[in-house]
Amino acid sequence: DQQVKQNSPSLSVQEGRISILNCDYTNSMFDYFLWYKKYPAEGPTFLISISSIKDKNEDGRFTVFLNKSAKHLSLHIVPSQPGDSAVYFCAASGGDTGNQFYFGTGTSLTVIP
Amino acid sequence: GAVVSQHPSWVICKSGTSVKIECRSLDFQATTMFWYRQFPKQSLMLMATSNEGSKATYEQGVEKDKFLINHASLTLSTLTVTSAHPEDSSFYICSARAPYEQYFGPGTRLTVT
Repeated sequence: DQQVKQNSPSLSVQEGRISILNCDYTNSMFDYFLWYKKYPAEGPTFLISISSIKDKNEDGRFTVFLNKSAKHLSLHIVPSQPGDSAVYFCAASGGDTGNQFYFGTGTSLTVIP
Repeated sequence: GAVVSQHPSWVICKSGTSVKIECRSLDFQATTMFWYRQFPKQSLMLMATSNEGSKATYEQGVEKDKFLINHASLTLSTLTVTSAHPEDSSFYICSARAPYEQYFGPGTRLTVT
């Protein structure tokens, strides 16, 4: 049962424009969310996080929005750069999940120069 | 930030042999480590959760006798792929849980010939 879903497997965006990556979750007990970026043949690297007490967290070009009622979070990258081209995973934990983070299936972002 | 290392980064082995992959948390103690497997163009698949001093918890469908996990200390977990076969060729990633984040290793590319 996929508790965290990323319904868009891929996304292409023009350089300089906004990239919006979406993530949905089903477990209402999740209270902490992260986004990871992954290049081919490398481990994921942490990008940005948000806890359920907030609805927005911003770090430079990256902003994560959380809509708890809709069980939805999104990552906005603006302006998008070619170096942002990678696979982005969202992850969630909390409640009775213990130490485990549940990951989405990833969205492959391509930023076109 | 915290660093998780993996060794080796790339290994080629013959079918029928065993391969050990090490995962170390370099500057923090991790009571829980996770092992993931990534197939090309697919998401991270959690294989097992490794808890220091106790047996690993394997996800459904993962053969525990084939993928041996040992979490010998608070900074080291090992994954041994026993009697490897070509279908075991994959990218294996470990991760260590810290209080507010999950840190990933750089991954190990296993090729079984």
